[in-house]
Amino acid sequence: DGGITQSPKYLFRKEGQNVTLSCEQNLNHDAMYWYRQDPGQGLRLIYYSQIVNDFQKGDIAEGYSVSREKKESFPLTVTSAQKNPTAFYLCASSKTVHQPQHFGDGTRLSIL
Amino acid sequence: QKEVEQDPGPLSVPEGAIVSLNCTYSNSAFQYFMWYRQYSRKGPELLMYTYSSGNKEDGRFTAQVDKSSKYISLFIRDSQPSDSATYLCAMSEQGGKLIFGQGTELSVKP
Repeated sequence: DGGITQSPKYLFRKEGQNVTLSCEQNLNHDAMYWYRQDPGQGLRLIYYSQIVNDFQKGDIAEGYSVSREKKESFPLTVTSAQKNPTAFYLCASSKTVHQPQHFGDGTRLSIL
Repeated sequence: QKEVEQDPGPLSVPEGAIVSLNCTYSNSAFQYFMWYRQYSRKGPELLMYTYSSGNKEDGRFTAQVDKSSKYISLFIRDSQPSDSATYLCAMSEQGGKLIFGQGTELSVKP
């Protein structure tokens, strides 16, 4: 059963701590994306990757980092430089950049 | 002004009603138009995908794109309580990133 798996569902971060959100897809999609969703603001693009070993900043990349070492995986690290990390984080993938994006079920990050 | 504007609602309708959800946009280069449905604490699920102008129908759902007015709509016929969710419009240029509306929260009352 193909899809996108995000883990964990809930994550808590202490002050000064880096945390990593996992995203894995078995759809054989080339492109992967990370979005942040805040109430009343829709989805905002953090980073995206069109192919392995390549990625580009989105609209709100500051305080975040990513890697794309494998086609199936696109982890997102929320660093201590991100001062307001509390949000719902969504990972998506698409066959190519022109195709519709399919989403995982998100990770909710909160501050302790 | 945001590139994509969507009334956040909430919108409440009785079961069986026809629902109309709308987005306006400012970028005339947008060519790909999508509607997503998002249930609480879940990721968005693709409902409709349209390229350029025109209508597309899938069961109880109809998507319309009017590029001359920079306006897209999603109609839901015979609405059901299970349609209660947030509906997000999204659009992009050729080769461009996807731009999302804020989402409209819909509640269908039995």
